[in-house]
Amino acid sequence: ETGVTQTPRHLVMGMTNKKSLKCEQHLGHNAMYWYKQSAKKPLELMFVYNFKEQTENNSVPSRFSPECPNSSHLFLHLHTLQPEDSALYLCASSQDLAGNPRDTQYFGPGTRLTVL
Amino acid sequence: AQSVTQLGSHVSVSEGALVLLRCNYSSSVPPYLFWYVQYPNQGLQLLLKYTSAATLVKGINGFEAEFKKSETSFHLTKPSAHMSDAAEYFCAVRSTGNQFYFGTGTSLTVIP
Repeated sequence: ETGVTQTPRHLVMGMTNKKSLKCEQHLGHNAMYWYKQSAKKPLELMFVYNFKEQTENNSVPSRFSPECPNSSHLFLHLHTLQPEDSALYLCASSQDLAGNPRDTQYFGPGTRLTVL
Repeated sequence: AQSVTQLGSHVSVSEGALVLLRCNYSSSVPPYLFWYVQYPNQGLQLLLKYTSAATLVKGINGFEAEFKKSETSFHLTKPSAHMSDAAEYFCAVRSTGNQFYFGTGTSLTVIP
């Protein structure tokens, strides 16, 4: 599946580092999402953007900062993370948030983040 | 509010045996339901979805799921397991605003 790409695929960072995760979708969608997937826990929705506007922030700590410069690109800027932030970060996209029955979310391969 | 419950975090089946992964949903409105599969070190891939048309939905890789309103269930089945089916499976329900609520996942092991 190459509709949604994420880079890097793996990232190791110290607690004082600043890094960014990138997501790009080639599906012509207008909504993009960041999820956190930790072991033994359900997927946690972090942020939602629709037509470049943030529509959802699920009480995410400010050390995670999203950016959506256009409908095709989504970034997650990371700053002074904690070891418990280590997880798989998944990006997804969908047509929009209108709830069309045919719409669904398509996921990227994820970035495996390890915070030391 | 919408939610899904996946019964059984781990399921093991023999190769060639029936696969049955359970999902029950809770929704205040007619639900849109999905099954996703996640192979190791990969993202989630859509297997199939129910959007209020036919109650028996066929997906990729020989999987299908049946929507049963009376049981609030959307169980995933495959008649004959293959080694390549070993993966994590997630059931999800979608709200009217396109927000997805995922289950905790079921890890499927296929025994040769």
